[in-house]
Amino acid sequence: AQSVTQLGSHVSVSEGALVLLRCNYSSSVPPYLFWYVQYPNQGLQLLLKYTSAATLVKGINGFEAEFKKSETSFHLTKPSAHMSDAAEYFCAVSQGGGGNKLTFGTGTQLKVEL
Amino acid sequence: DAGVIQSPRHEVTEMGQEVTLRCKPISGHDYLFWYRQTMMRGLELLIYFNNNVPIDDSGMPEDRFSAKMPNASFSTLKIQPSEPRDSAVYFCASRPLSQGANEQFFGPGTRLTVL
Repeated sequence: AQSVTQLGSHVSVSEGALVLLRCNYSSSVPPYLFWYVQYPNQGLQLLLKYTSAATLVKGINGFEAEFKKSETSFHLTKPSAHMSDAAEYFCAVSQGGGGNKLTFGTGTQLKVEL
Repeated sequence: DAGVIQSPRHEVTEMGQEVTLRCKPISGHDYLFWYRQTMMRGLELLIYFNNNVPIDDSGMPEDRFSAKMPNASFSTLKIQPSEPRDSAVYFCASRPLSQGANEQFFGPGTRLTVL
């Protein structure tokens, strides 16, 4: 069984401030982990993914995430928020080795204020 | 590539009517997934196909829901009869067999409103 917990359904930051979105996972086998972003009225777009290579993963739009096995975490960060980052962010987990199901967290709505 | 294509983008119907949602996956992708997104339940996997064959339909909420994939480039999700609680955004996603990390590519979704 696998699951994902995203702490904080809403996060608000000032433009230029650090973005930190939290994700903890549970998996009985080594997981593959993903962050997706959803802009209003659009589908989900992949930001980055962890596939058991480097623990620090860099994605699009300046985002990165670090896989910490000891903490079962995969938090998403960006050093400096931009207004265009306002969106909903989803963490997801699948079983490593080609598992077919993605299990999504409940999402975190990011608001960026001037 | 055009990406995953879904139609219609918006659908408004009355309770009891049949609704058919359509999806065209990315060419060459072997897997196709149908998801439902609601405020209350988040993103739920309804069913997925591999090479046009349904593999896991455990997420289909009830018999009113059915999905088919008659060929590699087309899938439908049908609700008959529809109910107001079916109102949601329905996403289709696809991925190729060779993508071991299971990255899925999502369509823009169909927003369904059942009155």
